Amino acid sequence: DAGVIQSPRHEVTEMGQEVTLRCKPISGHNSLFWYRQTMMRGLELLIYFNNNVPIDDSGMPEDRFSAKMPNASFSTLKIQPSEPRDSAVYFCASREGLAGSDTQYFGPGTRLTVL
Amino acid sequence: AQSVTQLDSQVPVFEEAPVELRCNYSSSVSVYLFWYVQYPNQGLQLLLKYLSGSTLVKGINGFEAEFNKSQTSFPLRKPSVHISDTAEYFCAVSGLQGAQKLVFGQGTRLTINP
Repeated sequence: DAGVIQSPRHEVTEMGQEVTLRCKPISGHNSLFWYRQTMMRGLELLIYFNNNVPIDDSGMPEDRFSAKMPNASFSTLKIQPSEPRDSAVYFCASREGLAGSDTQYFGPGTRLTVL
Repeated sequence: AQSVTQLDSQVPVFEEAPVELRCNYSSSVSVYLFWYVQYPNQGLQLLLKYLSGSTLVKGINGFEAEFNKSQTSFPLRKPSVHISDTAEYFCAVSGLQGAQKLVFGQGTRLTINP
């Protein structure tokens, strides 16, 4: 398996622009997670899905952020409009089931820079 | 709710020396415990996890961790480190019941000096 795939790997945009990050989970995995990593705040869980349904979006910072999972093999995280404070590395991870004992597998991340 | 505290933000160690990275957790219920490693410019990958049974857990790359319920700790150890172990290490906790998410610590940056 190719693992969790994220695109793009790097994104540079200007303040106010819309940004869309994409994730393809490991085939057969039913849970998908979006994280944000910054020096100041560390690794934060933004939202997670199970069977394409959002289970917990309490980590989504504000209305400018939205995430969708239209099918089992694709998810997007959108920021509109983007701001410089959104600059971070965004990780997607997938897990086979719901159980906390299952391992999360992380993608390589998308490094977002908002100028 | 669970929380994790990694007491050291940075740990410098000489090559071939032993290392211990500290991790304490807080939870009102039983938990699963994990250690993940992040190499530069990469995503996180699982080093090891404690689910139940023996409190000593062995992972990849010669790392091991020991669950201590009375001290609510899960320190990560390696008897002899290599330059290639330079990375950031994250301790994480998850509850047992229902749809569970991981709660991560702030991470410990391990730097191996020759």
